[in-house]
Amino acid sequence: RKEVEQDPGPFNVPEGATVAFNCTYSNSASQSFFWYRQDCRKEPKLLMSVYSSGNEDGRFTAQLNRASQYISLLIRDSKLSDSATYLCVVNLPSNTGKLIFGQGTTLQVKP
Amino acid sequence: EAGVTQFPSHSVIEKGQTVTLRCDPISGHDNLYWYRRVMGKEIKFLLHFVKESKQDESGMPNNRFLAERTGGTYSTLKVQPAELEDSGVYFCASSHFLAGDGELFFGEGSRLTVL
Repeated sequence: RKEVEQDPGPFNVPEGATVAFNCTYSNSASQSFFWYRQDCRKEPKLLMSVYSSGNEDGRFTAQLNRASQYISLLIRDSKLSDSATYLCVVNLPSNTGKLIFGQGTTLQVKP
Repeated sequence: EAGVTQFPSHSVIEKGQTVTLRCDPISGHDNLYWYRRVMGKEIKFLLHFVKESKQDESGMPNNRFLAERTGGTYSTLKVQPAELEDSGVYFCASSHFLAGDGELFFGEGSRLTVL
């Protein structure tokens, strides 16, 4: 079983749609959670951290469910520029500096 | 401010040859990481430097891989001899805080193709 699992997609949605990505992690002691965004053939960039109480940044909302070991990302009012791969990332409990990446979910927003 | 820079951006070598990848982290970042993405797989951790010291090298695949960070500035990752399965994109990242405490800044990656 992978340490961080994501549906690879692709998710094809029209502009303006709301889309949600899910992610599960296997280590119940994991402490820190993130969503990174990666454009084609570019480097991953931090989109947002995920906090226990849930957090929002503009059109993006992240949720964490520790009991189910589940993380979600909701994108409202999708833009063409949101097309990218979204990586679910978890930090090991020992906080060694080692991040565990999911395989990523690809989003394609169509006009 | 300059971001994380990596060189070369793309390298094509034959099996058995040697390749050295270089990473220049963001100035002032003590933490430097190497990650790798093999085709069709997730990005995987290779190792972590704090200044010039190897903090965690649990992700290094085998002894054909050697990473150094002399002087605590730039880092090199040498693959010798290269095998077909070493093909992939090697990302370097740096951070001021530990990865779990804050943002990792990634370079654009060095794409390695072993023929």
